[in-house]
Amino acid sequence: GAGVSQSPRYKVAKRGQDVALRCDPISGHVSLFWYQQALGQGPEFLTYFQNEAQLDKSGLPSDRFFAERPEGSVSTLKIQRTQQEDSAVYLCASSLEGFDYGYTFGSGTRLTVV
Amino acid sequence: AQTVTQSQPEMSVQEAETVTLSCTYDTSESNYYLFWYKQPPSRQMILVIRQEAYKQQNATENRFSVNFQKAAKSFSLKISDSQLGDTAMYFCAFFYSGTYKYIFGTGTRLKVLA
Repeated sequence: GAGVSQSPRYKVAKRGQDVALRCDPISGHVSLFWYQQALGQGPEFLTYFQNEAQLDKSGLPSDRFFAERPEGSVSTLKIQRTQQEDSAVYLCASSLEGFDYGYTFGSGTRLTVV
Repeated sequence: AQTVTQSQPEMSVQEAETVTLSCTYDTSESNYYLFWYKQPPSRQMILVIRQEAYKQQNATENRFSVNFQKAAKSFSLKISDSQLGDTAMYFCAFFYSGTYKYIFGTGTRLKVLA
């Protein structure tokens, strides 16, 4: 596609519910990133994929967070047993190769846990 | 550890005037990149301008320019001839060569007034 597409745009979850957030990167982009942006803050790194390989998941806040990219294109970020502190915007970004020229970000999913 | 500081939570400017957004960072690395991203209400992070640390010349992109002071670890963004469409959150971001994680500041909310 022409840009990075994320869905849903908004998600409201009851505490304890599982959620799945989808990211469809630009076609052919090798690198894919997930960032978490809490209200009033800058985005913070969660995880990084190169094709289907998850090379870095050091930013995932707990073992309730899980990300996958099984065929090297679409990625899903799953949050199990959501808690109120998980409320944030989840941004996905992709890059063709290398990182020096910046990434292309999607418009994010705003997750609200009630 | 690298940090990025944006000390101006909010700013406003009259249409057609010039505004400067401040950013300072802290790093012991010598080879790194600095970016300014714009985040309008649509939430998509849009790359405004980038600067390689090894370049002494300040980057310029149309109405946007930076004042990069490496010794002072300062990276300010100047927006000339401000337009209503410039209204957005602006994030300063850093990463050093050999990694792929952005470190973002907390952002500056810019409002352009008609």
